[in-house]
Amino acid sequence: AQTVTQSQPEMSVQEAETVTLSCTYDTSESDYYLFWYKQPPSRQMILVIRQEAYKQQNATENRFSVNFQKAAKSFSLKISDSQLGDAAMYFCAYRRFGNEKLTFGTGTRLTIIP
Amino acid sequence: DTEVTQTPKHLVMGMTNKKSLKCEQHMGHRAMYWYKQKAKKPPELMFVYSYEKLSINESVPSRFSPECPNSSLLNLHLHALQPEDSALYLCASSQEPLANEQFFGPGTRLTVL
Repeated sequence: AQTVTQSQPEMSVQEAETVTLSCTYDTSESDYYLFWYKQPPSRQMILVIRQEAYKQQNATENRFSVNFQKAAKSFSLKISDSQLGDAAMYFCAYRRFGNEKLTFGTGTRLTIIP
Repeated sequence: DTEVTQTPKHLVMGMTNKKSLKCEQHMGHRAMYWYKQKAKKPPELMFVYSYEKLSINESVPSRFSPECPNSSLLNLHLHALQPEDSALYLCASSQEPLANEQFFGPGTRLTVL
């Protein structure tokens, strides 16, 4: 079974600084997708960024970028120029190619310090 | 319309009650999902509907009964729940069953007394 591990239950960062959230996963599959979802205190989960395992290039979305290390099964999220609106619970998630099931990690609560 | 709506926002029910949660999307998405999220835990998949047919049931107890009357609507019927079923129930949808983005609703906070 696939497992997703986020070893940092909580993180904090000063506004405008950079923070990196860690995620590791375990799978025997070679084709899969990885995601970072953000769940603000209002609860609605939104997709931040996604990565296809077959792509070597790391995904980037504005201030958000990932460091995808397939051999190490590591998928970290870097948030640059942190803003107050980035405060949320961040979930790393995995989906096997050809399967609809999304498996989430335990989450990292990110606090932004003004 | 680019959102998933869920009603009610909050629900309190007794163990003998029957209630339903409703989820709606008007984005033309053909896959819809129910997740259960306990406090300080990640969402856990319960059911997936693909093209209005149940495609995944993650061994959910029969006291939870999903229904997809049409492509825009997803219901979760609740009967004889237990206090441990208290949680946030999230609905999500995606354009296709294997699409790379799921759009989540705000959830229904359920309390079972």
